[in-house]
Amino acid sequence: KAGVTQTPRYLIKTRGQQVTLSCSPISGHRSVSWYQQTPGQGLQFLFEYFSETQRNKGNFPGRFSGRQFSNSRSEMNVSTLELGDSALYLCASSPDLQGVTYEQYFGPGTRLTVT
Amino acid sequence: GQNIDQPTEMTATEGAIVQINCTYQTSGFNGLFWYQQHAGEAPTFLSYNVLDGLEEKGRFSSFLSRSKGYSYLLLKELQMKDSASYLCAFSDSNYQLIWGAGTKLIIKP
Repeated sequence: KAGVTQTPRYLIKTRGQQVTLSCSPISGHRSVSWYQQTPGQGLQFLFEYFSETQRNKGNFPGRFSGRQFSNSRSEMNVSTLELGDSALYLCASSPDLQGVTYEQYFGPGTRLTVT
Repeated sequence: GQNIDQPTEMTATEGAIVQINCTYQTSGFNGLFWYQQHAGEAPTFLSYNVLDGLEEKGRFSSFLSRSKGYSYLLLKELQMKDSASYLCAFSDSNYQLIWGAGTKLIIKP
């Protein structure tokens, strides 16, 4: 089974621009979560999508948004980029049957640098 | 509220044993995960505990005490390749994972 894939792997943007990151989950997984990881901060939860609906949301400003398509692929968008948005953005998928906790499988991440 | 805490960095010697602790506070709990993350790579799953006690998997073991809000990851016969960050996370009442900041483990020869 193919793992979680994320594109692009690396991205350099300028302050004020917007960016879209893509994630393809493991086949059959319906839950996709997005995280921001910066040195010393650990994984900060952005949001989770399940069956095309945002099910959980972290404590990030509205500049961060996402969506999920019918094939479970997900995108996240960051508008009006700030220097502080420079981070590794990780996507994780899970089979996530209702009411059951499953491990999450992570993609390799997208390294975003904002200059 | 919810919070989770683990040491920032630990150092151990090749061949030795190390225990990485994780404490958490939450009103709803659906299990605790440990992940390993090598520098520049994605986190990979190590263990999941939902009941109290010790789960052993080869050189790695994980322990959970729900009443104390405490877990640890025990690594035996340390190898240089075990140098990595170890992340603990608990699943809350909404099945959302709440992550610790990670413990960077440095293995010395």
